[in-house]
Amino acid sequence: GENVEQHPSTLSVQEGDSAVIKCTYSDSASNYFPWYKQELGKRPQLIIDIRSNVGEKKDQRIAVTLNKTAKHFSLHITETQPEDSAVYFCAASRGDDKIIFGKGTRLHILP
Amino acid sequence: AAGVIQSPRHLIKEKRETATLKCYPIPRHDTVYWYQQGPGQDPQFLISFYEKMQSDKGSIPDRFSAQQFSDYHSELNMSSLELGDSALYFCASLPGAGTEAFFGQGTRLTVV
Repeated sequence: GENVEQHPSTLSVQEGDSAVIKCTYSDSASNYFPWYKQELGKRPQLIIDIRSNVGEKKDQRIAVTLNKTAKHFSLHITETQPEDSAVYFCAASRGDDKIIFGKGTRLHILP
Repeated sequence: AAGVIQSPRHLIKEKRETATLKCYPIPRHDTVYWYQQGPGQDPQFLISFYEKMQSDKGSIPDRFSAQQFSDYHSELNMSSLELGDSALYFCASLPGAGTEAFFGQGTRLTVV
């Protein structure tokens, strides 16, 4: 089955700097890659997603890149703000299958 | 807009008791996923339903069972509860496979 690895597990970034979180997946049939943000005690919420027919997608300060050959995708957050502090999960799905999550990255934005 | 509703929000049970968690998906969503999230852990897939039929099964103990009813709501039944079952249980609904999963607020189960 699918296995999603996520790095780093913890990331501290100065406010205003950029943050990058990286994930790899194992199932070459996976074609849908969402990213979720989860604040403490709250539900995961989708922040951006990308499908395998696209290499890059951007939404304001957030961007995701996908390298299908390497089975690697990354989340980029620019001009980080205090409210970006949370746990971020990458995930992968074959589209007709369950969504498998990475283990999460705890992002701290330092003042 | 209507969101995914889970009930109860909090539940405290003793070891060996039974618990039933309910999930009401967004109207017209035909897919429901259940996840278990331990403290500081990623959500672990338990089971999913598509059009009221079980579509996939993950690391769900035999003590747990689930079903989706004719009105598309789903229930997760947990028997012989163990201390290790204490976790946040999320249900998510999707308008179709390979689309955004909308999560409910979760049920926090504490087994004492």
